[in-house]
This record gives sequence, structure tokens and C-alpha cells, in this order.
Amino acid sequence: AQKVTQAQTEISVVEKEDVTLDCVYETRDTTYYLFWYKQPPSGELVFLIRRNSFDEQNEISGRYSWNFQKSTSSFNFTITASQVVDSAVYFCALSEAQSGGSYIPTFGRGTSLIVHP
Amino acid sequence: NAGVTQTPKFQVLKTGQSMTLQCAQDMNHNSMYWYRQDPGMGLRLIYYSASEGTTDKGEVPNGYNVSRLNKREFSLRLESAAPSQTSVYFCASNPTLQAYYEQYFGPGTRLTVT
Repeated sequence: AQKVTQAQTEISVVEKEDVTLDCVYETRDTTYYLFWYKQPPSGELVFLIRRNSFDEQNEISGRYSWNFQKSTSSFNFTITASQVVDSAVYFCALSEAQSGGSYIPTFGRGTSLIVHP
Repeated sequence: NAGVTQTPKFQVLKTGQSMTLQCAQDMNHNSMYWYRQDPGMGLRLIYYSASEGTTDKGEVPNGYNVSRLNKREFSLRLESAAPSQTSVYFCASNPTLQAYYEQYFGPGTRLTVT
């Protein structure tokens, strides 16, 4: 069974602060994929990034960066110099690729990020 | 490309009424999904359709039925609505049922059952 835990229910920061959203996962598969999605106040979920279990290289995209650590089963998301437009609910998700696994992602409960001006 | 579209955007039902939520995608995707989102619960899978002609239950299927009308359309029906079905419903799609693919989501339907 797969499981995704986002322990932070809500985070509140002031603009320009750095913020890290935590994601811890559980799976018995050796081949799996991790995802982050953003749900802005408008409501529609938007895909941000995918990482496969064999690629532990960290990724940076502008102010966004992702830290994947298999040793701690974590896939954390950092926003540098946060902006009001970053205010959203962020979901981490896990899907398993091996036979017998669930190809459909399991989502964490989400972290609501509020960035104050 | 409209992506994934859902109708209606908002709906209020009385207990016991029925309704169908419509979803369509124009990306030629094979797989489609219905989720519900409740506060503090994240997204929970109701039903999915791996390809045209097939449907399967997800985590929370009770009280719902689905129809994969064709490759583009996947509808969700509530036969006798209950207050516990008050939620935001999202339809999603992706190219095929493989763990690699991200999902593309519609804008959601906010349903209130009184």
C-alpha cells in the first residue's frame, strides 16, 4: 500500500521569505513516481513536477526547487523568496510503476500556503 | 485546446435528488478519473476509466455511478444525493494508465447537498 504524508496543514509566511513544504511517502515498490501539484484559489490543480525513484538529482526551476531523498523517503518542495501569487494548496502524490502496484497516484492531504504581502 | 472541462461549476441539491456531473477532454487521452476533495482529506478517487469501455472503482465509490460515454466523455452520477456527498468534484485525464503520467485536471464542480 502506498501512502503520502504532508504533515503541514497550513503555512503562513511574509513575502520574500523562503518556505519548504514537506512530503514523506511510503511504498514497497522500487520503481515509483512522485509529483507535486499546485491548486491556486481558482481551484484547478496544476502539475508542477515529476520525479522517478531512480533519479535523486535535485531540481531547480526559477524560485522553485525540489529535494528528493530516498534515504528518508521524502520529496520536499522549497519556494525561495515567496510571492503572494504562490498562495495556494500544494499536493504531493505518489504512483507505483511495478506490476501489482497502483498506477493511479495517491495524494497527500495538501499544505495550504498563505503568503502575506 | 480546452483541456478538461466540467459542467456544471456549482450545484445545490436536496437530499434524495439525482444529478449527473459531466466531464470531457479534448487531448485524446485514454484514461479518465473522478475525484472528490474534502477539507483536510486531500483528493480521493471515486472511479476511473483506464480506457474507453472500462470503468473501475476507486477508494470511495459508494453512492456514485459512472459512464464512459466515449473516449472524450466520462460522467459521474449521484442517484440519490446525501449531505455526505457535499464536496468539490474534480475530473482528470492522462494519456494512459501508467504511473509515469501526470494528470490533467478540470476546474471542478462544487456540489452542496442540503
